[in-house]
Amino acid sequence: EAQVTQNPRYLITVTGKKLTVTCSQNMNHEYMSWYRQDPGLGLRQIYYSMNVEVTDKGDVPEGYKVSRKEKRNFPLILESPSPNQTSLYFCASSFFAPYNEQFFGPGTRLTVL
Amino acid sequence: GENVEQHPSTLSVQEGDSAVIKCTYSDSASNYFPWYKQELGKRPQLIIDIRSNVGEKKDQRIAVTLNKTAKHFSLHITETQPEDSAVYFCAGHGYGNKLVFGAGTILRVKS
Repeated sequence: EAQVTQNPRYLITVTGKKLTVTCSQNMNHEYMSWYRQDPGLGLRQIYYSMNVEVTDKGDVPEGYKVSRKEKRNFPLILESPSPNQTSLYFCASSFFAPYNEQFFGPGTRLTVL
Repeated sequence: GENVEQHPSTLSVQEGDSAVIKCTYSDSASNYFPWYKQELGKRPQLIIDIRSNVGEKKDQRIAVTLNKTAKHFSLHITETQPEDSAVYFCAGHGYGNKLVFGAGTILRVKS
C-alpha cells in the first residue's frame, strides 16, 4: 500500500530533551516536506527536500533540523525542544516538487512541557 | 515570499446550499493552487487543484476558479452534504519550491 508513515504518533517530552520524528514514504517520491499545524495558523512549512542530500528551509525552520540521506526517509530533529514547539506535525511527499499532490502522513502530536 | 490569505475562517451552510471559500495570494509568479480537505482527526487530502494556465476546473460538486489578474482563487462546493463538513486549506506554490498554505476554513454543513 502506497503511504507515508510517521513515528511516533504522540509524544510528550520536556524542554531541552532532544527528539526525532521519523517519516518514511514508499512511493519513490522525490519531494518531501515537514509542516506544523497550529489553530488559526494553518499548515506552515518547516523544511523541505527536493531529493537526497538536498534540503531547504521553509517558512518556520527555527529550532528544527532535517536530513535526507535516503530517498524514502526524512526525519525531523528537535535538538532542544521548547514549549512553543508544541504542535501537530505532518510529513508529506510528492512525486516532484510542491506542484503535485502532497501525500500526508498521519501526523505526530507533540507536547513539550 | 508568497503570502496566502483565506476567508472566511468559519462557514456554516444548510445542507443542499452552496459554499464558497476565497483565497488571495501575493506572488504573481505562483502557478499552482491546490485545495486540501482535512476531516476531524485526519490528515489533509487533496480535493482539487488548478494551474495558472486554466481559469476554472470542476470535479463533480467541487469547482475551483482562478483570477490571475486579481491574484485570487476560490473553491465552490455545490449541493453541500454533511460529509463536506471539514477544514479546507488553500495553498500557493511560492518562491523556490515552497508550498504556502492559508489559515484554513472550518466548514459546517447543517442538516
